[in-house]
Amino acid sequence: QITLKESGPTLVKPTQTLTLTCTFSGFSLSAGGVGVGWIRQPPGKALEWLTVIYWSDDKRFSPSLKTRLTITKETSKNQVVLTMTNVDPVDTATYYCARTTSPAAFDVWGQGTMVTVSS
Amino acid sequence: QSALTQPASVSGSPGQSITISCTGASGNVGSYNLVSWYQQHPGKAPKLIIFEVNKRPSGISTRFSGSKSGATASLTISGLQAEDEADYFCSSYVGSGVDVFGGGTKLTVL
Repeated sequence: QITLKESGPTLVKPTQTLTLTCTFSGFSLSAGGVGVGWIRQPPGKALEWLTVIYWSDDKRFSPSLKTRLTITKETSKNQVVLTMTNVDPVDTATYYCARTTSPAAFDVWGQGTMVTVSS
Repeated sequence: QSALTQPASVSGSPGQSITISCTGASGNVGSYNLVSWYQQHPGKAPKLIIFEVNKRPSGISTRFSGSKSGATASLTISGLQAEDEADYFCSSYVGSGVDVFGGGTKLTVL
């Protein structure tokens, strides 16, 4: 069974750095063609693609957020970590991590974690 | 504002067929056969139902089908069921390893 689960703070103050961890099981991020990405969804709004990291350590970022995002993988721990710097209330959203094995498709998603940015 | 445009809402009666459009541009939908569709029920994570324009993941009903013409992709749901009531999002590759999502469509089963 393939599962992913997001973890991290539920409340972050403006200008701080947000760090989220995706812990997964049932697949390996060292297998060719596999990647793990992050997608977010503000309350009542659309999904927004953020970033993805592949088995090869290739990383891709949303052009609009590229300067604020970092993504890393700990293959031995089955974890992917997302950091977002200088957060703002507009970053308030549910953050999902998801697996990709086909181009432009996330086939298994985590349950999501709600992050609120507020002072 | 999303690079992919979807109707805000569509509706249909049980048993009917509906189609949700996803309009992009030559730089995304029009250039790549890499369009996906996701179904999202309230409070739940999205679920992949179509990838690479018209492929269904294992376990997805044949009532769901995808197509593309030019810069517009479409999701068709046939034989509407009450459980199909959900939000639907399209996604497309836009080059340089980056994807983009549409604004989402709320499907109401009357």
